[in-house]
Amino acid sequence: QSVLTQPPSVSGAPGQRVTISCTGSRSNIGAGYDVHWYQQLPGTSPKLLIYANNNRPSGVPDRFSASKSGTSASLAITGLQAEDEGDYYCQSHDNYVRGVFGTGTRVSVL
Amino acid sequence: QVRLQESGPGLMEPSQTLSLTCSVSGGAMNSGNYYWSWIRQHPEKGLEWIAFTSYSGDTYYNPSLKSRVTLSVDKSDNHFSLKLTSLTAADTSVYFCARAAYHDTPVKGRFFDLWGRGTLVTVSS
Repeated sequence: QSVLTQPPSVSGAPGQRVTISCTGSRSNIGAGYDVHWYQQLPGTSPKLLIYANNNRPSGVPDRFSASKSGTSASLAITGLQAEDEGDYYCQSHDNYVRGVFGTGTRVSVL
Repeated sequence: QVRLQESGPGLMEPSQTLSLTCSVSGGAMNSGNYYWSWIRQHPEKGLEWIAFTSYSGDTYYNPSLKSRVTLSVDKSDNHFSLKLTSLTAADTSVYFCARAAYHDTPVKGRFFDLWGRGTLVTVSS
């Protein structure tokens, strides 16, 4: 039922940069609502990684950054580390559902 | 710091009603402009927002679940609860409670800044 589409998986070698896209529509991201990102490491609950498009909560390394444009958003991880392996989700508000999550992206470190 | 902890039965039968509680510790629920949320994750699948409610009872539901879901806040005990009726196997999920905050203005939507550890609910006969 996700209305935000993400690639199923991305991978990179340690130290590399990877990006994850989040594609929405005019009823959510394109309507001007903020986009947020979560990291879910294996066996744990999701953790807020980025809020309001490009803000990092205290304690989140600056290797994580995000941007938003039009009906899409993206998350970038630079200097990829083994501890970054896990699932990443975007989230926004939708005129019809209020709380919508992306389909999720599995990040693998080669 | 504020912590959230889900509790409830792990195994339910089809057609039954699920009741889950989220205990909030380390802070009062009526402190700050937060909404209190339930989110679920089907096994090996993505996240699905169920509903959220304010301390005063302003509640919003996912339209796909609205006919079966009720949220409530227990002000005397600092916790909030979820009821989900007419369970089927498709409701088998890990259920998370979470705190919903906003940046600058709630008009731009909310994000989930604190999460519980989640509780697995299996629906099976």
